[in-house]
Amino acid sequence: QKEVEQNSGPLSVPEGAIASLNCTYSDRGSQSFFWYRQYSGKSPELIMFIYSNGDKEDGRFTAQLNKASQYVSLLIRDSQPSDSATYLCAVNAGNQFYFGTGTSLTVIP
Amino acid sequence: DGGITQSPKYLFRKEGQNVTLSCEQNLNHDAMYWYRQDPGQGLRLIYYSQIVNDFQKGDIAEGYSVSREKKESFPLTVTSAQKNPTAFYLCASSLSQTQYFGPGTRLLVL
Repeated sequence: QKEVEQNSGPLSVPEGAIASLNCTYSDRGSQSFFWYRQYSGKSPELIMFIYSNGDKEDGRFTAQLNKASQYVSLLIRDSQPSDSATYLCAVNAGNQFYFGTGTSLTVIP
Repeated sequence: DGGITQSPKYLFRKEGQNVTLSCEQNLNHDAMYWYRQDPGQGLRLIYYSQIVNDFQKGDIAEGYSVSREKKESFPLTVTSAQKNPTAFYLCASSLSQTQYFGPGTRLLVL
């Protein structure tokens, strides 16, 4: 059973702060890792993907991957109220994608 | 304008009725997927297809059926055997190892 675990939150941070979202996965054969943002009532939107150990930065977002610890995280710098959403962690292993249940983030103005 | 489209946005099903959810993509992606999302829960895989005329069951295929006659299209039928169909249904497609989602169809039971 391939599992992806996320802290369901809710996570609240003040505007301008750094939000840190964490995810662990069980399958060491997982090859690629994704973060999706899902606003209430909407479909998931891909915001970051990472394949190699280390950090990957895109604007205010940084994804961090540690395959030895089977851990992937997402940092959101200078958090904005528009970042308030549920963030889904996903991993790809073979032909399928496995999703966590999501972390709800609220950015307080 | 490339993307994944799903229709309808909302669908109402009567007791004992089969309903079909449409999913079309013009991204030239080979693989397509159907997920179900219930409130407060993660995505659960219903069916997926890697190529035309071939598809595999996911974790919760019972009560659902699919077809893949064209690369661009992957319709999902919710049959009367699915006793708890109320959910948000998401279609996705993937190129290489990256997956993208359509806007979703919300299915409600009358």
